[in-house]
Amino acid sequence: AQSVTQLGSHVSVSEGALVLLRCNYSSSVPPYLFWYVQYPNQGLQLLLKYTSAATLVKGINGFEAEFKKSETSFHLTKPSAHMSDAAEYFCAVSDRPGYSTLTFGKGTMLLVSP
Amino acid sequence: DGGITQSPKYLFRKEGQNVTLSCEQNLNHDAMYWYRQDPGQGLRLIYYSQIVNDFQKGDIAEGYSVSREKKESFPLTVTSAQKNPTAFYLCASSIKGESSYEQYFGPGTRLTVT
Repeated sequence: AQSVTQLGSHVSVSEGALVLLRCNYSSSVPPYLFWYVQYPNQGLQLLLKYTSAATLVKGINGFEAEFKKSETSFHLTKPSAHMSDAAEYFCAVSDRPGYSTLTFGKGTMLLVSP
Repeated sequence: DGGITQSPKYLFRKEGQNVTLSCEQNLNHDAMYWYRQDPGQGLRLIYYSQIVNDFQKGDIAEGYSVSREKKESFPLTVTSAQKNPTAFYLCASSIKGESSYEQYFGPGTRLTVT
């Protein structure tokens, strides 16, 4: 069964600092991986996705993630945090051929201080 | 503009009453999903539908029911059998019901049952 672990329910950074949000997955087959962002009381917005084309994936708002099969990881990074990046971030995995159900991690709240 | 609409944004009900949450999409997507979100729990799949007149149970379907009579609509009924219905409910859709396709989310409905 697929699963996702996001290390750290809260991550705090200063404005301008590197953002690193960790995601590890468990999957018996090559997975599809996604990062979503959620602002308070809103739906989720797709940041980026990995579908086996390239291991380094670039997304919106300056975010990127690298798929590392040997480490079963898909960590999300951004070189320089902005106040507007403060939100909750979810990693999700889908690995069932023909099915599109996603398994989500529990989320990481990113706090950005001035 | 294409997108997913969920109504209402906030919903209040008395315990023992059934309540139906609306989800409509004009993206011409085949697949639709319902998730429940609780603080610190991530998103959990309630039901999903890959085609009209067909749907499958997700991980936490007990106490919920759905219908998919039209491609654009996927209403969720929270029945009185759901033991803890207070939560944030998110509807999503994807082009096809396949793993590589990302899901697009609506703005959510916050249900409070007292």
